[in-house]
Amino acid sequence: AQSVTQPDIHITVSEGASLELRCNYSYGATPYLFWYVQSPGQGLQLLLKYFSGDTLVQGIKGFEAEFKRSQSSFNLRKPSVHWSDAAEYFCAVGAHGGSQGNLIFGKGTKLSVKP
Amino acid sequence: EAGVAQSPRYKIIEKRQSVAFWCNPISGHATLYWYQQILGQGPKLLIQFQNNGVVDDSQLPKDRFSAERLKGVDSTLKIQPAKLEDSAVYLCASSLRLQGETQYFGPGTRLLVL
Repeated sequence: AQSVTQPDIHITVSEGASLELRCNYSYGATPYLFWYVQSPGQGLQLLLKYFSGDTLVQGIKGFEAEFKRSQSSFNLRKPSVHWSDAAEYFCAVGAHGGSQGNLIFGKGTKLSVKP
Repeated sequence: EAGVAQSPRYKIIEKRQSVAFWCNPISGHATLYWYQQILGQGPKLLIQFQNNGVVDDSQLPKDRFSAERLKGVDSTLKIQPAKLEDSAVYLCASSLRLQGETQYFGPGTRLLVL
């Protein structure tokens, strides 16, 4: 069965510091991979997605993620965090093939930013 | 382009009462999803529609939850009767097609069952 693991429940970084949020997935074939961000009281906003091709994916707000098939990982990175990046981040996996498009989400990582 | 609209934004009810949530997807999006997000968890799919047909409702508690998308546009999710464990945020999302497409999420309806 498909699953997504985000090992870090809560991360605190200083403003201007670099950030890496971890995501590991379990899936039998090449998945579609997504990172979403959720601010308090808001819906989910897509940061970036990987379907195929270049394994380093650029997203909005200066985020990037790298797909590593050998490690079943899709970690999210940002070189310099801004206070406005404080939010909850969700990694999700979707299936290639078949007729279903539903996403399986991880439990999320809450990011706090220290001034 | 207007995003996914949901109403109400907040709802408080007592257990055993009924409640309904409404979602209007992005214009032209054939696929509509309802997710349940319990506090501290990621969203979990309840049901997905392709136009007005159900594609997957395997995780929908059908004894109390129902959903419809009669004209292939907006959708309603109902809970009757509600239980305490139904307290959650109910998110609606839409996409152009099914697999692999980006899903665009609405702001959600926060439900508290007392």
